[in-house]
Amino acid sequence: QSMLTQAPSVSAAPGQKVTISCSGKSSNFASNSVSWYQQLPGTAPKLLIYENNKRPSGIPDRFSGSKSGTSAILVISGLQTGDEADYYCGTWDTTVNAFYVFGSGTKLTVL
Amino acid sequence: QITLKESGPALVKPTQTLTLTCTFSGFSVNTDGVGVAWIRQPPGKALEWLSLIYWDDDKRYSPSMKSRATITKDSSKNQVVLTMTNVDPTDTATYFCAQGLSSKSFSYDSWGQGTLVTVSS
Repeated sequence: QSMLTQAPSVSAAPGQKVTISCSGKSSNFASNSVSWYQQLPGTAPKLLIYENNKRPSGIPDRFSGSKSGTSAILVISGLQTGDEADYYCGTWDTTVNAFYVFGSGTKLTVL
Repeated sequence: QITLKESGPALVKPTQTLTLTCTFSGFSVNTDGVGVAWIRQPPGKALEWLSLIYWDDDKRYSPSMKSRATITKDSSKNQVVLTMTNVDPTDTATYFCAQGLSSKSFSYDSWGQGTLVTVSS
């Protein structure tokens, strides 16, 4: 079971804005940054956000991220039908022996 | 251009050892700040991080692997290998390898296409 909790699903209409949240324990959020991944059906995940709010080259600024305390948020604005996918957060857990953890995933439906 | 590709058996019997190979190009696993990770996804389920090997041969494992996994690298072949012992049907998943960089806090920017492994007798 994932140590990062995400809502199973979220939906919104094209053009709207949607927020996807990720909550974790202080052990993994306190001193470690959060990343976000998009997984389109049948494909490998794609990095959208790293270090809480940075976008890799090629990722449009419709995607933005933030982190506060033990929660992180991915915001997608100007929703497009092509944004329909699963979204995962991820971070390092550095409590004892460091390891990476993914969130439980959120299915975004664009109505 | 960075590419990664996973290879391994499509079908493994319970209790056997699974060996997966990640063959990559466009980078060296010996370059400072580079790591290669293994991540899996059971059918219809979430991603699960398994292991990471760093450029300096340091290694990290998920506690869920409970000492069943071993990760190694062969920089001359541009390969990273994951070995998992005593597999069971819950290890059925698509296995991905991915590159991580220290410049991105070892998030995963480049992924292979994945390879489906089924554990069944």
